[in-house]
Amino acid sequence: ELKVEQNPLFLSMQEGKNYTIYCNYSTTSDRLYWYRQDPGKSLESLFVLLSNGAVKQEGRLMASLDTKARLSTLHITAAVHDLSATYFCAVEANNNDMRFGAGTRLTVKP
Amino acid sequence: NAGVTQTPKFQVLKTGQSMTLQCAQDMNHEYMSWYRQDPGMGLRLIHYSVGAGITDQGEVPNGYNVSRSTTEDFPLRLLSAAPSQTSVYFCASSSWGLAGAHGGAGELFFGEGSRLTVL
Repeated sequence: ELKVEQNPLFLSMQEGKNYTIYCNYSTTSDRLYWYRQDPGKSLESLFVLLSNGAVKQEGRLMASLDTKARLSTLHITAAVHDLSATYFCAVEANNNDMRFGAGTRLTVKP
Repeated sequence: NAGVTQTPKFQVLKTGQSMTLQCAQDMNHEYMSWYRQDPGMGLRLIHYSVGAGITDQGEVPNGYNVSRSTTEDFPLRLLSAAPSQTSVYFCASSSWGLAGAHGGAGELFFGEGSRLTVL
């Protein structure tokens, strides 16, 4: 059964700092997604990573995928308050099942 | 441009009652799914559908039924509500095709969520 683990689950960081969120998964997959959720809101897609070595960047966020290590990272550069949210990774299993990690609640403080 | 529309947004039920959460999408997506979100557990897949007339179980299907009579609609039925079904429910759709024949990027488009409380 596909398991997806994120760490850390809670992250408090100061504005201007860098940090990385990690997403490990347990079985072979080459499709990984990152989503953002603001408090009380729905989820929105951030990145779609479809192959080994894929790297996507949008503003201060950069996501990468290493399918051999079964690992994806979401790197935050020079954090700003607007990035405060919960970030989920999700991995697509072969049977049209998409499994989500527990989420990383990010708080960026001035 | 409505995207994915869920109703109701809030619902309170008594144990044993039944209800249907409605989900509709206007993007002509083949794939639709229902998730529940509980604190500290991420999203868990309840049921999904890869096209009209085709449904399948996800990770936590017990106590829920679905049907897919049209491409646009994918209702979720709670047969006999239990307090353990108190959760936030999200409907999502994607341009996925059938397994092994993905036509799009696969990202999910989510509805606004339905907060269900079972007393």
